[in-house]
Amino acid sequence: GAGVSQSPSNKVTEKGKDVELRCDPISGHTALYWYRQSLGQGLEFLIYFQGNSAPDKSGLPSDRFSAERTGGSVSTLTIQRTQQEDSAVYLCASSRKTTGFATNEKLFFGSGTQLSVL
Amino acid sequence: DQQVKQNSPSLSVQEGRISILNCDYTNSMFDYFLWYKKYPAEGPTFLISISSIKDKNEDGRFTVFLNKSAKHLSLHIVPSQPGDSAVYFCAASARNDYKLSFGAGTTVTVRA
Repeated sequence: GAGVSQSPSNKVTEKGKDVELRCDPISGHTALYWYRQSLGQGLEFLIYFQGNSAPDKSGLPSDRFSAERTGGSVSTLTIQRTQQEDSAVYLCASSRKTTGFATNEKLFFGSGTQLSVL
Repeated sequence: DQQVKQNSPSLSVQEGRISILNCDYTNSMFDYFLWYKKYPAEGPTFLISISSIKDKNEDGRFTVFLNKSAKHLSLHIVPSQPGDSAVYFCAASARNDYKLSFGAGTTVTVRA
C-alpha cells in the first residue's frame, strides 16, 4: 500500500486479556518502529526493527509486551494480560534506512490503534 | 524522563496571525530536530526539520528556529490558516541515532 497500515484502528478489551496489534509498513522500508502515546504524554518509543538485525527492545515497559516482525515486513505487537495503564494509542512507523535522522531520514506513521483496557 | 518538552499543551490563534510553538530539550547530544503534525484519527506526518549546524530553516509558511545554547527551538506558522489546526509534536535525535524523542504535543486551534 501507499502508507503504513495498522489494524485494528480501535480495540476495547478487558483487563487481563491478551491483544495483538498489527502493522504493515511501507513496501521497501527496512526500519520499523512501535511508539505509543498515553493521554497527555509524548510519543514513547517501544521497539525498533531493522532488517535482520536483533530488535532494540529497550523501550518495552514490561515483559508483558513483545513484538515480532516476520519476513522483514509485517509486525505484530502483543500485550499479554493487559492492564488499564496499557490504554493508549499505539503507533507504528517505518523508514527507509537507519543511518540517522540527520541524513534527512523521516518516519512515516500509521494512523495508530486506540487501545482501551476496561 | 522527558528529554523533549513542549510546555504549552494548547494554542489558539486567529486566522492570518502568527502561531509560535515552543520546544525545549535537555539532551546536549541531540543534533537534529523535527516537527510533526497530527490530525485526529491520523498518524503524525513530517512537517519540517533542522540540523544543529543551522539556526533557521524555512519552508513556505513554516519556519523553525534553533537556539542551541538555550536548548530551545520554535516553530512559526505565518500566516496561520484553519487547516493548520492540529497537534504539533517536536522531536529530536542524536547523531546516527535511529530513535526520535518526542514532546507531548501542542494543540493548535486557528479561529476564523
